[in-house]
Amino acid sequence: GEQVEQRPPHLSVREGDSAFIICTYTDSATAYFYWYKQEPGAGLQLLMSVFSNVDRKEEQGLTVLLNKKDKRLSLNLTAAHPGDSAVYFCAVSAGSSSFSKLVFGQGTSLSVVP
Amino acid sequence: EAAVTQSPRSKVAVTGGKVTLSCHQTNNHDYMYWYRQDTGHGLRLIHYSYVADSTEKGDIPDGYKASRPSQENFSLILELASLSQTAVYFCASSDAASQDTQYFGPGTRLLVL
Repeated sequence: GEQVEQRPPHLSVREGDSAFIICTYTDSATAYFYWYKQEPGAGLQLLMSVFSNVDRKEEQGLTVLLNKKDKRLSLNLTAAHPGDSAVYFCAVSAGSSSFSKLVFGQGTSLSVVP
Repeated sequence: EAAVTQSPRSKVAVTGGKVTLSCHQTNNHDYMYWYRQDTGHGLRLIHYSYVADSTEKGDIPDGYKASRPSQENFSLILELASLSQTAVYFCASSDAASQDTQYFGPGTRLLVL
């Protein structure tokens, strides 16, 4: 089945710098891609979703790149601030026509230092 | 206002005891899910349901049961809790039309001693 690898597991950046997280997946038929943010003690908050016909999507300081040839999904946080400190997860849709599930990466713990 | 709530938010259980985790959603969603999160791992799907009174096995169902008595409520049951079930458990819901867009609850931290 679909497998997702996410790196790095931990990332520390200074306020104002960029933070870059990457995920690789195995199933070339994967159609939907997601990035979630998990703040301490909270559930996962959906940041962005991307369909497979999109190579690049930008929203509110976040840039998602999708490279279908290399089966790679990335998230770039530009001008990070301390409020961005959280755990970030990528997820891809997998399954059959009758049921679609999410397969998650291992998570990246981001720390933004003032 | 939180649309997916979980109770309890944390629990300490003894090995061999029964544990019930509850989830309630006000999204009017058909699909509900239970995941577990372990350190260094992403979320893994335990059980899911697409309609009341019916549940399906996910990727790691062993040792867990689920119950969906109504569209709004979905429970996860550990009949005989084990040390290996110490984890954070998340409930989520999604609409049938956009199944993959899932909305998560705040999680339940379970410690089995």
